[in-house]
Amino acid sequence: EDKVVQSPLSLVVHEGDTVTLNCSYEVTNFRSLLWYKQEKKAPTFLFMLTSSGIEKKSGRLSSILDKKELFSILNITATQTGDSAVYLCAVAEYGNKLVFGAGTILRVKS
Amino acid sequence: DGGITQSPKYLFRKEGQNVTLSCEQNLNHDAMYWYRQDPGQGLRLIYYSQIVNDFQKGDIAEGYSVSREKKESFPLTVTSAQKNPTAFYLCASSPRNTEAFFGQGTRLTVV
Repeated sequence: EDKVVQSPLSLVVHEGDTVTLNCSYEVTNFRSLLWYKQEKKAPTFLFMLTSSGIEKKSGRLSSILDKKELFSILNITATQTGDSAVYLCAVAEYGNKLVFGAGTILRVKS
Repeated sequence: DGGITQSPKYLFRKEGQNVTLSCEQNLNHDAMYWYRQDPGQGLRLIYYSQIVNDFQKGDIAEGYSVSREKKESFPLTVTSAQKNPTAFYLCASSPRNTEAFFGQGTRLTVV
């Protein structure tokens, strides 16, 4: 069975801290790994990773994929209260199956 | 205005009743998905469809049914066989080999 495991399940930090969120996976036909941010209802897209070792960056957020060890990390530097959300990791397979992990609940305290 | 529309936003159902959740997209995406989200949890895949008239079961398909008669539409029926249907339901669509886009969700409550 396909598995996407995120850790930690929840995290509380103070503004200005740096956080690292983890995602490991076991899937049959890996195509890409995606990160989403969910604040209220619809998840919003952050990154899509297909190649190992190539960092993707957007402002204070960055992510990297290791296809040999089957994991990805999402880093957030200089956290702000607006970063408080559920961060979801998903793996897309050939054949269009898209499987999500349980998410990491991040709370940033001011 | 392009996007994914889910309706209704809130739905109440009596035990033993079937109910259908609507999902429509005008993005010309091939793939569509239904997920269930329980409080404090991630998204669990119910069904997905790659093309019209074809769909596959996800991890928690029992008690649910879908159809894909048109590219734009992927309705989800929650049947009376689903023992614990109260949840937040999210629909998504995706073009080939890129990220999925989500609707705003339907919150279903069994009363």
